Amino acid sequence: DGGITQSPKYLFRKEGQNVTLSCEQNLNHDAMYWYRQDPGQGLRLIYYSQIVNDFQKGDIAEGYSVSREKKESFPLTVTSAQKNPTAFYLCASSSTGTGTDTQYFGPGTRLTVL
Amino acid sequence: GENVEQHPSTLSVQEGDSAVIKCTYSDSASNYFPWYKQELGKRPQLIIDIRSNVGEKKDQRIAVTLNKTAKHFSLHITETQPEDSAVYFCAAAAPPDYGGSQGNLIFGKGTKLSVKP
Repeated sequence: DGGITQSPKYLFRKEGQNVTLSCEQNLNHDAMYWYRQDPGQGLRLIYYSQIVNDFQKGDIAEGYSVSREKKESFPLTVTSAQKNPTAFYLCASSSTGTGTDTQYFGPGTRLTVL
Repeated sequence: GENVEQHPSTLSVQEGDSAVIKCTYSDSASNYFPWYKQELGKRPQLIIDIRSNVGEKKDQRIAVTLNKTAKHFSLHITETQPEDSAVYFCAAAAPPDYGGSQGNLIFGKGTKLSVKP
């Protein structure tokens, strides 16, 4: 999991602003994922990508957008349409997108709305 | 779609005792069950996983059991140590083309384990 990096570690956003969270992996993994974690909750899937130039909505995609222009990068944009964005955001990757490969997580970005 | 329930939400044990965390799942097509450990403010890390073709798997003090008929799986930690204190998450996934599942991991809500010295 050391091959997945996220930046920044902490991010503060004013209401009405869009912000972009970075996720990079050097594991040569095809699949990448974005999860949101709230206190007392499990990890909830925002978006996932099984291959370059393709991505799918997860369970809570509203107010978020992604791109997958390069295999190693999967940035997440939190838009102003996301009404409650304060949370811990985790990026993950796996060798394939079959769901039965081990997912490795990045260190996370903690987003706070001021 | 898949639903994963995890119990208990909090668990406190004395050092040296055993800890057991249980999860149930709803999709009988699920065939991959990982367990992650997350220390405060850190990333989740895989500690053990099991696939549906086996009933039990062990790795030193950690073991996972799977009952496919009852659709539940459990994490067992023996001889607990203070460094085992963390939040543990179970998850389940089914193959992407089976019964409409998207092949993604569905996580339980976590169990906060506290090991008291």
